[in-house]
Amino acid sequence: GQNIDQPTEMTATEGAIVQINCTYQTSGFNGLFWYQQHAGEAPTFLSYNVLDGLEEKGRFSSFLSRSKGYSYLLLKELQMKDSASYLCAVRDQYNTDKLIFGTGTRLQVFP
Amino acid sequence: DAGVTQSPTHLIKTRGQQVTLRCSPKSGHDTVSWYQQALGQGPQFIFQYYEEEERQRGNFPDRFSGHQFPNYSSELNVNALLLGDSALYLCASSIRTGPYQETQYFGPGTRLLVL
Repeated sequence: GQNIDQPTEMTATEGAIVQINCTYQTSGFNGLFWYQQHAGEAPTFLSYNVLDGLEEKGRFSSFLSRSKGYSYLLLKELQMKDSASYLCAVRDQYNTDKLIFGTGTRLQVFP
Repeated sequence: DAGVTQSPTHLIKTRGQQVTLRCSPKSGHDTVSWYQQALGQGPQFIFQYYEEEERQRGNFPDRFSGHQFPNYSSELNVNALLLGDSALYLCASSIRTGPYQETQYFGPGTRLLVL
């Protein structure tokens, strides 16, 4: 089967660092995406990993370990505007046309 | 450069009715995917259109159908609406490179409420 697990909710303080984990068990693997979604809005693309390792993009970094079926999104220097849901999505190796999403992690940043 | 656009933004229907949602992809994109997102859940893949054909389909009944036009825009049709069809319907556009889709970019969504 296909399963993607993320924590449901997380809280953090402005200026801090937070790590959002994602584990997956899918029939195949061809890349992992992270999207940010503010309440009532569309998901916006944050990062893409297909090889093992860390991809850094400004305050956001994403890590992938294919052997462990594991990824994390690291947010540094948190700002209030980072309060949102963070969606982990896997692209299936055999059905490269669709993304399989987790339920998302709702992050609340407090002052 | 316009991003992905969807219409309408909100819609209220009653059970048994039919609805058509519309999507225009980002400029230069040739592929449109449709997702359903229930409250508090991640998006669920409905189907994808490329070259005016349905390429892949998720676990959705035949009441969900679609179409892609020569200008790459797309429609999602849902017949015989059920209360459980109430959700945010997201359109994502991408460009196909070889066997793969590049990153999918989402539109603002259509929020459908079925009463």
